[in-house]
Amino acid sequence: QVQLQQSGPGLVKPSQTLSLTCAISGDSVSSNSAAWNWIRQSPSRGLEWLGRTYYRSKWYNDYAVSVKSRITINPDTSKNQFSLQLNSVTPEDTAVYFCARVGTTVTTRYFDYWGQGTLVTVSS
Amino acid sequence: DIQMTQSPSTLSASVGDRVTITCRASQSISSWLAWYQQKPGKAPKLLIYEASSLESGVPSRFSGSGSGTEFTLTISSLQPDDFASYYCQQYNEYPLTFGGGTKVEIK
Repeated sequence: QVQLQQSGPGLVKPSQTLSLTCAISGDSVSSNSAAWNWIRQSPSRGLEWLGRTYYRSKWYNDYAVSVKSRITINPDTSKNQFSLQLNSVTPEDTAVYFCARVGTTVTTRYFDYWGQGTLVTVSS
Repeated sequence: DIQMTQSPSTLSASVGDRVTITCRASQSISSWLAWYQQKPGKAPKLLIYEASSLESGVPSRFSGSGSGTEFTLTISSLQPDDFASYYCQQYNEYPLTFGGGTKVEIK
C-alpha cells in the first residue's frame, strides 16, 4: 500500500519561499512506472496541477505555465521523497497543497494516491 | 490547456436518490477521464478511471460513462456517506486539469 506523508510549514511570509516535502512509502521515487506530483486547491483556482518529477533513466520535470518561473520539484532518492519549492509567494499562493502519484502511461495518468494535504497561508 | 466544465456546481438530494453529474471537456479526451470524491479536510479519493472503470473498493452504486467530450458520474442510490464534493479530471494530456467540482448536499 502506497502512502504519502507531507511535511512543511503552514505559514509563509510574502516574497519568501514555500517549501514542502512528501515522503513516500510502499513505492520508490525512482520508479519507472510513476510520476510524483504537486497539486494545490483554493476557492479561487480550484484544483490546480503544479508539476511533476519522474525518472526514466534520468530525471525529468514538468511544470504548469502559471508557476513555471517560480517552482522547483526535486526528488531525494536517499530519503525516498520529493519536495516542492515555490519562490516569491504572494497571498494568491494561499492554498491547500497536496502531493500525489500518477502512472506514466496515458492509461494510468490519474491520481491514485494522495498526501494528506497541507494548508499553506501566505501572510506577514 | 484542456478546460473541464462540471454541472451542476451544487446539487441537493435525498438518501436513496439517483444522482447524475456531468463533465464536459473543451476538446476530445477519448476515455481518459477520472472522477474523485472529496470530503472536507481530506484529499480527493479516486472513484473511477478511464471514464467507466471502478477503482478497487469503491461501491458499485458509483458508475461512469461517456467518451470524447461528454461524461457522467452516476450514483444509483445516494447514501449518507456520499454527501461530498466530486471532481472530474482529464488525463489525455499535460497539464492535467480538473473540473470545478460538484457539491452534493442533503436536501
